[in-house]
Amino acid sequence: NAGVTQTPKFQVLKTGQSMTLQCAQDMNHNSMYWYRQDPGMGLRLIYYSASEGTTDKGEVPNGYNVSRLNKREFSLRLESAAPSQTSVYFCASTGMSFADTQYFGPGTRLTVL
Amino acid sequence: AQSVTQLDSQVPVFEEAPVELRCNYSSSVSVYLFWYVQYPNQGLQLLLKYLSGSTLVESINGFEAEFNKSQTSFHLRKPSVHISDTAEYFCAVSLPVSGGYNKLIFGAGTRLAVHP
Repeated sequence: NAGVTQTPKFQVLKTGQSMTLQCAQDMNHNSMYWYRQDPGMGLRLIYYSASEGTTDKGEVPNGYNVSRLNKREFSLRLESAAPSQTSVYFCASTGMSFADTQYFGPGTRLTVL
Repeated sequence: AQSVTQLDSQVPVFEEAPVELRCNYSSSVSVYLFWYVQYPNQGLQLLLKYLSGSTLVESINGFEAEFNKSQTSFHLRKPSVHISDTAEYFCAVSLPVSGGYNKLIFGAGTRLAVHP
């Protein structure tokens, strides 16, 4: 099993450009998440998808959109990138119980100039 | 509101010395507690978790954490660290949320630097 995979690993954008971060999991998990990690702030939830066909805002959703394409895939889109979106982005997945472990992808390091 | 506080942003320590990474949480409901570890340039991976039962939980690589309900703490300890333990450690609480998903609230992280 590959677990949770993310593409790309690195990306540099200019202000105003758009891009989509891809995430896929092969663990048959129902729930998937997008986080951003910034120094000294831990991980903050951007959006989540509790199950296929549903998505909801997390703590810091502004400037982002998501699509739960199917049970395996959950993408994050930046429509018009801003320097404040420079961060490391992590996708995660888990089962339905709040006791379940979240499994994380390797991350995408995004720089917006 | 629920929150997680990691009391030290950085902890430098010499190899083979003991270490404690401190974590306190606040919550009005019962929670599950987790420690995740992030090695350089990698994603997070589970180190250990407390769900119920014995308040002392252990990981396979020698870390342990003790749940203290009265002090709302979940400190992480290791009696003798290795260079390979150098990483960032995140404490997190898991909350039940209607709609059937697993909400994790993370602390800001503690960077453990083990020196020879």
